[in-house]
Parts: sequence; structure tokens; C-alpha cells
Amino acid sequence: DTAVSQTPKYLVTQMGNDKSIKCEQNLGHDTMYWYKQDSKKFLKIMFSYNNKELIINETVPNRFSPKSPDKAHLNLHINSLELGDSAVYFCASSQGSLAFPLSGEQYFGPGTRLTVT
Amino acid sequence: SQQGEEDPQALSIQEGENATMNCSYKTSINNLQWYRQNSGRGLVHLILIRSNEREKHSGRLRVTLDTSKKSSSLLITASRAADTASYFCATDLMDSSYKLIFGSGTRLLVRP
Repeated sequence: DTAVSQTPKYLVTQMGNDKSIKCEQNLGHDTMYWYKQDSKKFLKIMFSYNNKELIINETVPNRFSPKSPDKAHLNLHINSLELGDSAVYFCASSQGSLAFPLSGEQYFGPGTRLTVT
Repeated sequence: SQQGEEDPQALSIQEGENATMNCSYKTSINNLQWYRQNSGRGLVHLILIRSNEREKHSGRLRVTLDTSKKSSSLLITASRAADTASYFCATDLMDSSYKLIFGSGTRLLVRP
């Protein structure tokens, strides 16, 4: 069984479009994350949710909006896509409480490669 | 600038040799973690070392942490072709920012 899954794996779209990436974890973890990995492999956190509550919101353009319908799901919606949004987006999860959301290891999904043309 | 910087950026060794990767960071941490990323895949957690620990082992992996120098090293012994991947260190900061900050990564190539 896949622990952290993301859909789609590849996403090719044109500038100006709106797209969503979905993430689900079946590990029973409390905390989920979205990361962006650029072409130089630099991985940067974008958002984190703990039990559906937003706890990390980095300086990400407000065209990016995460949504967590329940603690097993964290989706990422992107409006008005730009060329610079092309990257690989990773979802991750970890066990932890709101007081200690980063206790322990993170489990990553396989990534969604977004290409904006 | 980034919290974690890894050295070297790329490393090429022969199968059977040992591989050592280093990570330096800037601010105080709760723990430091190492992850592996195979090409086109997600990151996989390898090992976590807490700030009060100096060395940790897991199979062929040995991690050291020197908080006075703000540095860590990952040693892979008796490397195999399957160890070919990018390796990242990640720091859990002590400033309650709840962020895991990843380094720039070391690309390891193990030649058969």
C-alpha cells in the first residue's frame, strides 16, 4: 500500500490556467506538508497543516492555496499559473502534535512534475 | 542564504568504497535528518540524530553531529551501485518555526 500518494504524477499546462494537485496519506499522521523542488534540486517548504489547521505558510504567492478537508488529505490549488511555477511539488507527512509537529521523520510522496508552457 | 549547505555537491566513487558527505548549518537545531532521493522519486528518510547525540549508526550508514561546529557527516560504507542517489540533510530548527530546512544535496554516483 502506498503511504503518501499524489495525483497527478505529471502535469503540463499553459500559463494562466488553474490546476490542482491532490495528496493523501494512509499513515494516520497528524501533519502534512507541501514542498517545491526547483531545477537545482533545492527543496523548500511551502505549507504545513496539523490536523487540518495551517501551521506553516511560507512567503508563497497567494495564487497558491492549500486545502485540507481532513487530516489524511492536503490538496494544493494554483491559480493563474506562471512559467516560474514549473517544478516538482512534493507532499509529505509526519506524526506529531501541534506542540511538536516536527517530531520525527517525514514521509514523502512520489512528487508531481508541473510544467508550465 | 540556506540553512544547510552540503559538501561536496557531487561525488563519484567505485563500488565497495566508502562515501562521506558533509552538511553545515547556521542556527541551533533540535535534530538533524538525512534523506535519500533516487532520480525521479520522492525523498526517503535515512536517519535522525538529535542535538544531544554525537553519533548514530543504521546498517551501513554512520552519522555524526558536531553542534559546536554546526556540522554533520554521513558515511556510507561498502557502497553499492544502488546507493546512487542524491542525499540531503535537513535541520529541525530550535526557533519553534516548525520548519524542516533542507540542504542543497550531494549527488552520489557509485560506479559498478
